[in-house]
Amino acid sequence: DADVTQTPRNRITKTGKRIMLECSQTKGHDRMYWYRQDPGLGLRLIYYSFDVKDINKGEISDGYSVSRQAQAKFSLSLESAIPNQTALYFCATSMSSYNEQFFGPGTRLTVL
Amino acid sequence: QKEVEQNSGPLSVPEGAIASLNCTYSDRGSQSFFWYRQYSGKSPELIMFIYSNGDKEDGRFTAQLNKASQYVSLLIRDSQPSDSATYLCAVNMRYPASGTYKYIFGTGTRLKVLA
Repeated sequence: DADVTQTPRNRITKTGKRIMLECSQTKGHDRMYWYRQDPGLGLRLIYYSFDVKDINKGEISDGYSVSRQAQAKFSLSLESAIPNQTALYFCATSMSSYNEQFFGPGTRLTVL
Repeated sequence: QKEVEQNSGPLSVPEGAIASLNCTYSDRGSQSFFWYRQYSGKSPELIMFIYSNGDKEDGRFTAQLNKASQYVSLLIRDSQPSDSATYLCAVNMRYPASGTYKYIFGTGTRLKVLA
């Protein structure tokens, strides 16, 4: 089955550490997204990419950076993690803005 | 005003009843509308999408869209305890400056189906 995968699934780290979350997809979609989810705040868009050369900031990009290494891979980095970046992070893909998004299983990140 | 609004709930319904979930959106130019179900700690999964005014049925689920009133709803018939989850509404909306579209999620409504 075409799929969206995320690694790691869980990560505990300390304040100030650099962290990379990885996302891979076999759906053949050009569009990829990174979201974070916090209780009561829903899904908030961090970054999105329409293709390898097109990367855009979402509503909460401060403190994050991304890399689109290939059509199938989109990584999210926290250069210097802080406790309020503790959240559930999801990667998603879509064929276009008119179509549904397909989500990875999520990464639970805890910053101590 | 939030771009996509949902009542956070919880909405509690007895088993076998109809659950009605509502979502309003701000952009009249929105073209596609989605309902996702999310179990606690899991990723959202698509239940239904709707593009045109009116009703769209899929099994126990019916999506209703009213573009004039800018709302979309999800009805779940014969609700089961396994339907207990958070339901997210998503709408594609235009960026005013560029005219391109973005995908906006509501914060979700938590549904509890009581056995």
